[in-house]
Order: sequence, then C-alpha cells, then structure tokens
Amino acid sequence: KAGVTQTPRYLIKTRGQQVTLSCSPISGHRSVSWYQQTPGQGLQFLFEYFSETQRNKGNFPGRFSGRQFSNSRSEMNVSTLELGDSALYLCASSPGTGGGYTFGSGTRLTVV
Amino acid sequence: GESVGLHLPTLSVQEGDNSIINCAYSNSASDYFIWYKQESGKGPQFIIDIRSNMDKRQGQRVTVLLNKTVKHLSLQIAATQPGDSAVYFCAETGGMYSGGGADGLTFGKGTHLIIQP
Repeated sequence: KAGVTQTPRYLIKTRGQQVTLSCSPISGHRSVSWYQQTPGQGLQFLFEYFSETQRNKGNFPGRFSGRQFSNSRSEMNVSTLELGDSALYLCASSPGTGGGYTFGSGTRLTVV
Repeated sequence: GESVGLHLPTLSVQEGDNSIINCAYSNSASDYFIWYKQESGKGPQFIIDIRSNMDKRQGQRVTVLLNKTVKHLSLQIAATQPGDSAVYFCAETGGMYSGGGADGLTFGKGTHLIIQP
C-alpha cells in the first residue's frame, strides 16, 4: 500500500510570508499528526487530527494551524514566518485508535 | 562493542557487534513506546514497539526492553550491519488504552549510531 505522502519536499520562503504544507495519509488511516524537527529542539509534536477534528495540540504559537479534510488528507499552515520556523516538518499517519504511526519523508522548510 | 547507561548522542560500534541504545522517559502515564530509525533526508522509520503491559519484545535482530520502575527503555540491535547506521529515537505516548492516540508522540533526543568497519 502507498505510504504517507508529504508535499512539497522542499520549500524556501521569506520572513513574514505564510506557507501551507500537505500530508496524504495511508489509505484507511483517519489520524494525521504533525511534528517539527530542528537540530536544537529535536522532534516536537504540533497537533493531531482525527476525522476532521483537532484532538490535541502541542506547545506552539497560534501562527501554526492545521486542518483535515473528509478524505483524511491534512494541511498545516504557518503564518508570518520567522527564521526560527526553518525546520523539517513531518506528518505521521495512524488508524487513530492508538499505535501504528507511520511517518512521511517530510517537508524541508527554509525561511530566509 | 556495546554501551549502557544514560543517553549518548553518538554510539560507535564495530560491524558485527551488538548495539544497545538507551532512552529515559519522564511521563509515568505513558503506555506505548516506539523506537524509530531516521536516515539522512528521510522521515523516521518504525523499528519496534512495546506496550506498557510488557517488559520485552523481540523482532528481527532487534529487542526492546522496558523498565517501568525506572522509566527506562532500551533498543538492542544484534550483529550490527552498515545499513544500521542512522539516528535512533525513542518515542512515548499515552492513550493507547484510552483516547485512541490523540496525545501525540514525545520523542527522545536521538542517538547517532555509527558503524565502524
């Protein structure tokens, strides 16, 4: 079966701009969670969506938001980009009943 | 070569030796634990998981040990191969038995495993 697909793979944006990243989960999976990975902070949980509802959110500012569509595809948005938002953004797909987390290859965002 | 003890950012082992990577977790409510392998330019890849009602679980060349008393998790890789070279992360979450995985994963700092020929 197809894995988790994240698009785009690479992105360069300017400070102050906004960006939207996309994640298509494994077919049949209803949960998508997002993570930020940086050398300094490691992997940090952003938020989790299940059946179009955000069930949990990590400790990130309101500039980070997301949504999930009826087909379980998810997008995350970062507004008013800052240099510190440069990171690898990963999404994980799971059935949503606990366990079975599969990660995509990530989107490498560089803010200049 | 093997190494035990607290978290090490880097672990260097000889090809063919066994490797032990350690992880300490902080949340006593966590009930599901996973080890991931991450190669350069890729997302984390699932290796093995263990639930809190178990102390040990074995896979192909890998074993995970869970000590809930001291909140410690370890990954043992037998007969380490060049393809095992990567950064290894432990992850924990609650909600395996209630709430269905909404809590998100909390990751450890990662250990870079280097294989010496």
